[in-house]
Amino acid sequence: SQTIHQWPATLVQPVGSPLSLECTVEGTSNPNLYWYRQAAGRGLQLLFYSVGIGQISSEVPQNLSASRPQDRQFILSSKKLLLSDSGFYLCACQDRQAFFGQGTRLTVV
Amino acid sequence: RKEVEQDPGPFNVPEGATVAFNCTYSNSASQSFFWYRQDCRKEPKLLMSVYSSGNEDGRFTAQLNRASQYISLLIRDSKLSDSATYLCVVSLRSHSGTYKYIFGTGTRLKVLA
Repeated sequence: SQTIHQWPATLVQPVGSPLSLECTVEGTSNPNLYWYRQAAGRGLQLLFYSVGIGQISSEVPQNLSASRPQDRQFILSSKKLLLSDSGFYLCACQDRQAFFGQGTRLTVV
Repeated sequence: RKEVEQDPGPFNVPEGATVAFNCTYSNSASQSFFWYRQDCRKEPKLLMSVYSSGNEDGRFTAQLNRASQYISLLIRDSKLSDSATYLCVVSLRSHSGTYKYIFGTGTRLKVLA
């Protein structure tokens, strides 16, 4: 079965600093990968998804970007963080079911 | 209207109680249905899929009514360890073949000793 590794688990960053969150997947090839953000008390918001290397689709305009440099690697980035970027970021592998990484709790201060 | 709607709760119930959660979805093209469990500050984990015929897994029973676009989850004999947020999730397959998942905001359950 699939295993999704996500790091770091928690992160505190100042406003204006860059961001890089990494997600890697084991146990499957050519996965469909997704980045979600969950704000406190709110549902999961889809940010990006990727069906293959170099293929990124963005769901909402925002301060973030994503990249898929390898088949099992999905990276979420920002050049300059905003306070509103705080939240719980989840990487997921989705097909007939959705499997999540352990998440990164980002606090922008 | 939200694509997937749930009562946020919280539902505070005593141990041993039976509790039911409901969920409605707006897209009649939705193909698959799930309940996920999310513990505080953790990732969502699949609790069970939901089938039109209804399905049961131990103390948990899930039902789907496609005509009414309604999904339910019943938990019998609640345990303290059932305390969590329960997410209603629907998915549909896009023309490109990818699955789009829509998550409800969750219903919070607290089981009291």
